[in-house]
Amino acid sequence: QKEVEQDPGPLSVPEGAIVSLNCTYSNSAFQYFMWYRQYSRKGPELLMYTYSSGNKEDGRFTAQVDKSSKYISLFIRDSQPSDSATYLCAMNGAGSARQLTFGSGTQLTVLP
Amino acid sequence: DGGITQSPKYLFRKEGQNVTLSCEQNLNHDAMYWYRQDPGQGLRLIYYSQIVNDFQKGDIAEGYSVSREKKESFPLTVTSAQKNPTAFYLCASSPRRKIQHFGDGTRLSIL
Repeated sequence: QKEVEQDPGPLSVPEGAIVSLNCTYSNSAFQYFMWYRQYSRKGPELLMYTYSSGNKEDGRFTAQVDKSSKYISLFIRDSQPSDSATYLCAMNGAGSARQLTFGSGTQLTVLP
Repeated sequence: DGGITQSPKYLFRKEGQNVTLSCEQNLNHDAMYWYRQDPGQGLRLIYYSQIVNDFQKGDIAEGYSVSREKKESFPLTVTSAQKNPTAFYLCASSPRRKIQHFGDGTRLSIL
């Protein structure tokens, strides 16, 4: 079993829809949670970074962490065609200087 | 502009050949990382370095080698021992124990 599970999609939604992307994890030592967006043939860029359980909002994006359920989500409101990309969740523990553990990524297409 | 530069964008390797992928950063970050990305598998860590002249193996180091002679540079060599090298290679850097920032990758293919 992978430490981080993420539905690979692909996911297609119409423009303006609310998108929900999710990851589950098994390692209770994970404390820092990130969402990266990756456009085709580009490197991942950081979208959201959270530490504690709860919600964090940044514009149209909301990151949600539920440590008790080991479940994190990214919500995109009023989705745009420019949001079409692969979304990767990533996480690490407080004592882990070495690496992030990534989900496999969800491919999202927002149709105009 | 500050950032991470990977070169070349595309690279082709012949059988039995070693190839070196370049990664340079001008962000003054202490730590640097190399990942391999395959379709549907997310990113897997090859090597990482937290300080000059020191580096550690990641989860899939076999067939790869690195050096860290300068803070700004962390080149990755894909050796002939790596039997399945076709992938998208990503370099990242971070201030120590902070968020990682990525370059735009090198796509390696076999001729």
